[in-house]
Amino acid sequence: KAGVTQTPRYLIKTRGQQVTLSCSPISGHRSVSWYQQTPGQGLQFLFEYFSETQRNKGNFPGRFSGRQFSNSRSEMNVSTLELGDSALYLCASSSPTALAYEQYFGPGTRLTVT
Amino acid sequence: SQKIEQNSEALNIQEGKTATLTCNYTNYSPAYLQWYRQDPGRGPVFLLLIRENEKEKRKERLKVTFDTTLKQSLFHITASQPADSATYLCALGGGYQKVTFGTGTKLQVIP
Repeated sequence: KAGVTQTPRYLIKTRGQQVTLSCSPISGHRSVSWYQQTPGQGLQFLFEYFSETQRNKGNFPGRFSGRQFSNSRSEMNVSTLELGDSALYLCASSSPTALAYEQYFGPGTRLTVT
Repeated sequence: SQKIEQNSEALNIQEGKTATLTCNYTNYSPAYLQWYRQDPGRGPVFLLLIRENEKEKRKERLKVTFDTTLKQSLFHITASQPADSATYLCALGGGYQKVTFGTGTKLQVIP
């Protein structure tokens, strides 16, 4: 089975711009979660989607949004980028059922905001 | 709000010894607790999941305990090897609960 894929792998943006990151989960998985990882804060939960619905949400401002498509692929969007948004963004997929247990992570998208 | 603490940022041990990593949490009653391994520049890799009604779980050289009274999990790697050097992350949640990660402990196994 192919693993979780994320595109692009690297991205450089300037302050004020917006960015869209993409995640393709493992075939059959219906839950997709997004995380932001920085050296100071560790892995911070952004949101989780299951069957196109946001099921859980972390404590991030409204500039961070996401969606999931009917084929379980997911995108996250960050508008009005700030320098502090520079981070590794990780996507994880989990489970073909409603109960999501272990998570399978993609390689991440490294976002640099200048 | 919930808080997860992993005992130390870094842990150095001699090859062949048992590494013990600690995860403590507050203001939360997770139904599941998970452990992941992360290597530099890569996404975390799932290792073990333990349910709230389980005291201990093993997988090869790995052992996890879960004490819901102490709000603590211990993660053991026996007969440690240099290849075990990585950052280990504790995570709470799963099922319908969102998964929240600790900041991790960087383990270095010295030959």
